Amino acid sequence: NAGVMQNPRHLVRRRGQEARLRCSPMKGHSHVYWYRQLPEEGLKFMVYLQKENIIDESGMPKERFSAEFPKEGPSILRIQQVVRGDSAAYFCASSPPAVPQNEQFFGPGTRLTVL
Amino acid sequence: DQQVKQNSPSLSVQEGRISILNCDYTNSMFDYFLWYKKYPAEGPTFLISISSIKDKNEDGRFTVFLNKSAKHLSLHIVPSQPGDSAVYFCAASANENRDDKIIFGKGTRLHILP
Repeated sequence: NAGVMQNPRHLVRRRGQEARLRCSPMKGHSHVYWYRQLPEEGLKFMVYLQKENIIDESGMPKERFSAEFPKEGPSILRIQQVVRGDSAAYFCASSPPAVPQNEQFFGPGTRLTVL
Repeated sequence: DQQVKQNSPSLSVQEGRISILNCDYTNSMFDYFLWYKKYPAEGPTFLISISSIKDKNEDGRFTVFLNKSAKHLSLHIVPSQPGDSAVYFCAASANENRDDKIIFGKGTRLHILP
């Protein structure tokens, strides 16, 4: 059973370009979470999605950021018109349908560098 | 507003001794707590968790203690091994069925000394 897959592992973009980060959850997992980690910081929640639904996007910046988890295919975190402050490690996590005392399984992350 | 606080950015412990990592939280609605371990260039991996109805949970060398009245939890690793050198994140959520997001602390970097 493969773990959570994220690609690309490293992404370099120039200011103003778009960044697309992909996350394939573990098999059987229908919940996906995106987190951002800035240097020397903890992981900050961004968005929680189930198939075709955004459940909680309270951690998403109001502009330029969007996320989706379509019926088929990976979850996508999209950042439009990137700025230097978007440089960070972006982690995706997945979990099966809610079970008491469950935990999230994390992917290896995508390191975004904005030049 | 930091709801989950790990006040020690780093900790050094001799191999074979006990490592104690501390965590404080401010949100009294948190009812489920987790510890994650993270190596450089990898994603966090789940280590151990505890529900608010318990005050202790043990798994091998790892034990988590929860003091609800003090809003404090700690992770004990004994005996500490070189492979334990990593960043440890304390995390909490407000819904045991985990329909809610997990709030992470900033992490504590543990160095196990030979």
